[in-house]
Amino acid sequence: QVQLVESGGGLVKPGGSLRLSCAASGFSFSDYYMNWVRQAPGKGLEWLSYISGSSTTIYYAHSVRGRFTVSRDNAKNSLYLQVNSLRAEDTAVYYCARAVSAVGLDSWGQGTLVTVSS
Amino acid sequence: EIVLTQSPGTLSLSPGERATFSCRASQSVSHRYLAWYQQKPGQAPRLFIYGASSRATGIPERFSGSGSGTDFTLTISRLEPEDFAVYYCQQYGSSPWTFGQGTKVEIK
Repeated sequence: QVQLVESGGGLVKPGGSLRLSCAASGFSFSDYYMNWVRQAPGKGLEWLSYISGSSTTIYYAHSVRGRFTVSRDNAKNSLYLQVNSLRAEDTAVYYCARAVSAVGLDSWGQGTLVTVSS
Repeated sequence: EIVLTQSPGTLSLSPGERATFSCRASQSVSHRYLAWYQQKPGQAPRLFIYGASSRATGIPERFSGSGSGTDFTLTISRLEPEDFAVYYCQQYGSSPWTFGQGTKVEIK
């Protein structure tokens, strides 16, 4: 079955960086767009980015463009999110999710918590 | 960017009652690419409805979606105890993709 497992979260100081990872299994990873979505504590969902299977199409939310970089390694069935210049408002659970054409986000990981604090 | 506004923010109902809540888009959602997700505390969201009205795999028939253009609705015909949760709409027809702020369905 489809499995997505995020890692790489933790406590980081303002201005710091992290690289989040998402390990995928149970499906042909390179055939799917992959996404990052985050949720601040007690808040709603915020879509951040998607990347196509071949990495040729990438899009970011306005709020993170220029600070966050999405990438993937199809040989390793892995998705990444490089998060730079972190601010307190970036504190959130970060989810990776698979996108199915015309369907939306049909599979989600359990998330990794990023806490930005001095 | 398409802004999605969900209403009401909170719906207080009893098991067995009918729940109806709305998602309004600031611009027309292309191809009716509007999804609904359910999220329970401590869990990841789960896809319930896609393409505005198609139920995802394993979703009970009491859940139905409708709408097009800028106005969409999710209806739960008879609330079961496991349906009390937060529901988010999301549009994936135009980039950037966006979510609504959520509607919480709570037990009255």
